[in-house]
Amino acid sequence: AQRVTQPEKLLSVFKGAPVELKCNYSYSGSPELFWYVQYSRQRLQLLLRHISRESIKGFTADLNKGETSFHLKKPFAQEEDSAMYYCALPPDSGAGSYQLTFGKGTKLSVIP
Amino acid sequence: DADVTQTPRNRITKTGKRIMLECSQTKGHDRMYWYRQDPGLGLRLIYYSFDVKDINKGEISDGYSVSRQAQAKFSLSLESAIPNQTALYFCATSDAGPWDQPQHFGDGTRLSIL
Repeated sequence: AQRVTQPEKLLSVFKGAPVELKCNYSYSGSPELFWYVQYSRQRLQLLLRHISRESIKGFTADLNKGETSFHLKKPFAQEEDSAMYYCALPPDSGAGSYQLTFGKGTKLSVIP
Repeated sequence: DADVTQTPRNRITKTGKRIMLECSQTKGHDRMYWYRQDPGLGLRLIYYSFDVKDINKGEISDGYSVSRQAQAKFSLSLESAIPNQTALYFCATSDAGPWDQPQHFGDGTRLSIL
């Protein structure tokens, strides 16, 4: 069964420090992973997806199939980055799953 | 982005009451979803619908029911609310086609059951 693990519930970093939000997954095929962000009292928004290979708000994520990871990184944290971050796997229709699978989320707190 | 609209935004009610949460979308998406969000548990899928005639249970459907009245509308009902259904509820949509489509979320409904 597909699974997403975000090992850290809370991550605190100082402004200007590098950030790495961890995500590990298990999936039967070649996954198209997502990162969603939820700012305080706002809706979840798509931050980035593996296939686009874009850098959004300074964040990047590289799929490492050997380590089954999709960690989210930013070289210099900003206060406005404080939010909940969710890693997500798309449905695996080949395995009969049609549900987006979310990790439990990591709350990033950037200390001024 | 108000393409996915949830009503009400906040609701406080009593145990045993019937409650309906509504979701409408203008994105023209076929697929719609209801999630609940609880601290430390992330998002869990309650029900999903791939078109008007297709309704499927998610991970935690007990105590909930849904209705897909039209392509644009997907309602979630709590037939007899209980306190552990207190949570933040999100509706989401996604386009048809490949299963790796991103989902688009509403602003959420904060529900408190006393």
